[in-house]
Amino acid sequence: KQEVTQIPAALSVPEGENLVLNCSFTDSAIYNLQWFRQDPGKGLTSLLLIQSSQREQTSGRLNASLDKSSGRSTLYIAASQPGDSATYLCARGGGATNKLIFGTGTLLAVQP
Amino acid sequence: DTEVTQTPKHLVMGMTNKKSLKCEQHMGHRAMYWYKQKAKKPPELMFVYSYEKLSINESVPSRFSPECPNSSLLNLHLHALQPEDSALYLCASSQRTVNYGYTFGSGTRLTVV
Repeated sequence: KQEVTQIPAALSVPEGENLVLNCSFTDSAIYNLQWFRQDPGKGLTSLLLIQSSQREQTSGRLNASLDKSSGRSTLYIAASQPGDSATYLCARGGGATNKLIFGTGTLLAVQP
Repeated sequence: DTEVTQTPKHLVMGMTNKKSLKCEQHMGHRAMYWYKQKAKKPPELMFVYSYEKLSINESVPSRFSPECPNSSLLNLHLHALQPEDSALYLCASSQRTVNYGYTFGSGTRLTVV
């Protein structure tokens, strides 16, 4: 069974800290790895998409890396802000139908 | 237009009702998806449509019936649901089914009473 795991499950940090969220997957034959943000009761907002041929992607204060050989992806958030508080989900895409398998999520709270 | 629009945002229905969820995108995406998300859990895939044809049904009960009338629209018809079907239903689309990122809608919060 293809699984995606995220560590930690929950994280609380003071404003201004840099932080790293981890995502691991068992199937190295992925096509892409996508990071999403979800606010309580809301839909998913795409943050970064890393294609299988890429090593990392950056958008503003966010940087995501992908290491297929080790089955890991990390999301780095620089200078965290209270507005970054949300659940962060990674998801691997792959297969003929680009089936997206989600990780278990990390609930982030940034304290002012 | 870079959005996936879902209606309604909230829906309360009885176990004998028939209702439909609607999803629309105008990005020219040819793959569309339905996901179900229970509280504090990740989304789980229900159905995949590729070029308006159903390509994946993740063993979803027949009380959920998907429909893709055209390349921009995706419906989910609901009938005789159970209280445990209460969840957030998310629609998504991608440019093609292989190696493209997903765009999600804001979801429909469904409560079955």
